[in-house]
Amino acid sequence: AQKVTQAQTEISVVEKEDVTLDCVYETRDTTYYLFWYKQPPSGELVFLIRRNSFDEQNEISGRYSWNFQKSTSSFNFTITASQVVDSAVYFCALSEANQAGTALIFGKGTTLSVSS
Amino acid sequence: EPEVTQTPSHQVTQMGQEVILRCVPISNHLYFYWYRQILGQKVEFLVSFYNNEISEKSEIFDDQFSVERPDGSNFTLKIRSTKLEDSAMYFCASSEGWRDTQYFGPGTRLTVL
Repeated sequence: AQKVTQAQTEISVVEKEDVTLDCVYETRDTTYYLFWYKQPPSGELVFLIRRNSFDEQNEISGRYSWNFQKSTSSFNFTITASQVVDSAVYFCALSEANQAGTALIFGKGTTLSVSS
Repeated sequence: EPEVTQTPSHQVTQMGQEVILRCVPISNHLYFYWYRQILGQKVEFLVSFYNNEISEKSEIFDDQFSVERPDGSNFTLKIRSTKLEDSAMYFCASSEGWRDTQYFGPGTRLTVL
């Protein structure tokens, strides 16, 4: 069965600190997709990144970077030089993509609080 | 930039009443989804919809729920005979293809009294 675990419930950092959010997933499929979404206090879900299971190349986008390691079934998210605006709940999600319209399976989320 | 829209932003209803939550997916997207998030909990999949049919549904999506694409732009979730435990944020999402990224609307907060 597919499962996403975000072991860190809450993280608090001070502005300019680097922070890594952990995500561990379980799936039996060889083809799958991993996602990170951000949920700011306003409540919407904002797409951040999508990776497919065949692409283990790490990605950097500004202050954000993602480390995908199939060997450990992890897809971790690092924010460099955190800012107050990064305060949000961050969700990791998995999609097995084995049929049309496949569901996203979300982790429980990590609440990140960045103080000034 | 195209976005998914949802109405209303907040719906308050009495237990036992029917509610319809509305969504307008991104115009060139073909796959539509509903998710819900009970306060403080994770986002849970309800149903996916393609070509005017349900393509996948979760255990949560029982006979109390139904979805419809009544016209070329709207996608609706109907909840019959609401219960207190239906109180949650309901998110609509859409994707261009079945393996593509799902983009979410801002959500409708449903409060059942």
